[in-house]
Amino acid sequence: AAGVIQSPRHLIKEKRETATLKCYPIPRHDTVYWYQQGPGQDPQFLISFYEKMQSDKGSIPDRFSAQQFSDYHSELNMSSLELGDSALYFCASSSTDSNQPQHFGDGTRLSIL
Amino acid sequence: AQKITQTQPGMFVQEKEAVTLDCTYDTSDPSYGLFWYKQPSSGEMIFLIYQGSYDQQNATEGRYSLNFQKARKSANLVISASQLGDSAMYFCAMREGMDSSYKLIFGSGTRLLVRP
Repeated sequence: AAGVIQSPRHLIKEKRETATLKCYPIPRHDTVYWYQQGPGQDPQFLISFYEKMQSDKGSIPDRFSAQQFSDYHSELNMSSLELGDSALYFCASSSTDSNQPQHFGDGTRLSIL
Repeated sequence: AQKITQTQPGMFVQEKEAVTLDCTYDTSDPSYGLFWYKQPSSGEMIFLIYQGSYDQQNATEGRYSLNFQKARKSANLVISASQLGDSAMYFCAMREGMDSSYKLIFGSGTRLLVRP
């Protein structure tokens, strides 16, 4: 079965640079979520999109923005990167069936030097 | 206030034995969903099992079962016949409300190590 696809798997950037993470949800899933997991931490919700509209917003810094495109893929744009942005970034997707879980991609590991 | 509490930072279990990972939650919403995810050292987040707040029976998925005690607000994961491949971090998570577009709130996780 198709899963959530994230790219790139690994990304190394320097402070003050920008980064773009991509997410391709499971086909026919209409909601996409972004989570940030710092080292030794639990995942923290950043932002979500339902049918290409932002549906919820969590602890996402103003330096970050995201959008969902007409083909349902989503991108997380990160600017003015800081050392503290080093983390594993997950994208997840789900359908509107309330019994269905969020399925996670394998994550993008972002390292800031 | 902590929404999801996992009080066991780490646990050991002998191969082929059963193990229970604890999870308590706090919500005033009568409609909610509880999830368990497994995160191996490679980092991916794998869905294991789901329990809805209105479900009458405890959820089961293969070797995984969920001991759901609504009055106590607990949703413990039971893994039967542990295997070496079960060694991983386990997260309990909650979705408040029944709309599947709602975000997940995670606990701090329990690291399980299965001994041969």
